Amino acid sequence: AQKVTQAQTEISVVEKEDVTLDCVYETRDTTYYLFWYKQPPSGELVFLIRRNSFDEQNEISGRYSWNFQKSTSSFNFTITASQVVDSAVYFCALSEAERSGGGADGLTFGKGTHLIIQP
Amino acid sequence: DTEVTQTPKHLVMGMTNKKSLKCEQHMGHRAMYWYKQKAKKPPELMFVYSYEKLSINESVPSRFSPECPNSSLLNLHLHALQPEDSALYLCASSHRTGTGPGNTIYFGEGSWLTVV
Repeated sequence: AQKVTQAQTEISVVEKEDVTLDCVYETRDTTYYLFWYKQPPSGELVFLIRRNSFDEQNEISGRYSWNFQKSTSSFNFTITASQVVDSAVYFCALSEAERSGGGADGLTFGKGTHLIIQP
Repeated sequence: DTEVTQTPKHLVMGMTNKKSLKCEQHMGHRAMYWYKQKAKKPPELMFVYSYEKLSINESVPSRFSPECPNSSLLNLHLHALQPEDSALYLCASSHRTGTGPGNTIYFGEGSWLTVV
């Protein structure tokens, strides 16, 4: 069975600090997909990134960066120079590749990390 | 702005009421989902529709009845709910079911449901 662990329940930092959100996953599949979503207080889950298991290249998008390491089954997310608008709950999620006949559906979410950026 | 639109954003209903949550997407996606999210918890999958047919029902009580009238619309009919059903209900869509290359699940803003 697949599992996603976000050990940090809540993180509070002062604006402009860098912050890293940890995500550790478990799966038996060799092909799988990892995601990060942001959920502000309004409720919408905003897609941030998808990474497949064959692509370990780190990615940077503006102030956001992701570090995928299969050796440690981790997919960590770093926000550089944090801003108050980054305050939200961040979910890491895992999905296995589509199986024949229609496959794994939906996402297995971690419990989320509540990030608080103080001005 | 999200391309998955949910209405209403807030709903308060009594335990004897019948109401519906609506979801619409115009991204040409053929898979649509309902998730339930309780406070301080991650979303939990309820139903999956693939090409307008129900493909997954995660043992959801019959007081929740999904409907997919066409490829762009997804409804969740609510009847005889309990206070513990109060939650955020999220609709989502993706190109298709499964998570092959290029397939990402996009969520709406959710409908906040309170059962009194």
